[in-house]
Amino acid sequence: GAVVSQHPSWVICKSGTSVKIECRSLDFQATTMFWYRQFPKQSLMLMATSNEGSKATYEQGVEKDKFLINHASLTLSTLTVTSAHPEDSSFYICSARLSDRGFSYNEQFFGPGTRLTVL
Amino acid sequence: GQNIDQPTEMTATEGAIVQINCTYQTSGFNGLFWYQQHAGEAPTFLSYNVLDGLEEKGRFSSFLSRSKGYSYLLLKELQMKDSASYLCAVRGYMDTGRRALTFGSGTRLQVQP
Repeated sequence: GAVVSQHPSWVICKSGTSVKIECRSLDFQATTMFWYRQFPKQSLMLMATSNEGSKATYEQGVEKDKFLINHASLTLSTLTVTSAHPEDSSFYICSARLSDRGFSYNEQFFGPGTRLTVL
Repeated sequence: GQNIDQPTEMTATEGAIVQINCTYQTSGFNGLFWYQQHAGEAPTFLSYNVLDGLEEKGRFSSFLSRSKGYSYLLLKELQMKDSASYLCAVRGYMDTGRRALTFGSGTRLQVQP
């Protein structure tokens, strides 16, 4: 199956700093990538849809200026958590949907996730 | 809006069969997905249903009834490694007007010897 990677897998930072998380589709092109956040023992909550070459679409309640998304190429999307605070500590997961090849375009492939801890 | 309900926890015995139910209310239904997620890891795709009926894939089967807003995931010949959370997700129109997945809270399955 298709592979999606995330970097870093975990990060600890001080309050007020910014953290960038990368999401890459390794063997396929993805015009659309999704960013989710998951708190302990809760389900995934969609934060935004990242579209290659255009602005991301944010879900209601997600601050655009705080969670900056850049989808500069067909294989890379980045999420930057700006001025991070302890309440931003969470598990951030990206997913990508195939835009070519013979696989069903309905399937989303998830990255391994990034655990962010803000002190 | 979207609303997805599934049981919080289930327990089953190794070698047995377990059925995890999911009911949903959504706008613009465009498919239902089941994912498996082990603690601290990303979800992995199990199945996709868009038409009514049963989809079988090895030890896993998924059923969909669109008229009832109902799906179930059936796991046969349970193994200890099947202990995980099982997420039901529906693709419909989010409040932003985008087609995207809405996840249920997940069902934590514990397989016992």
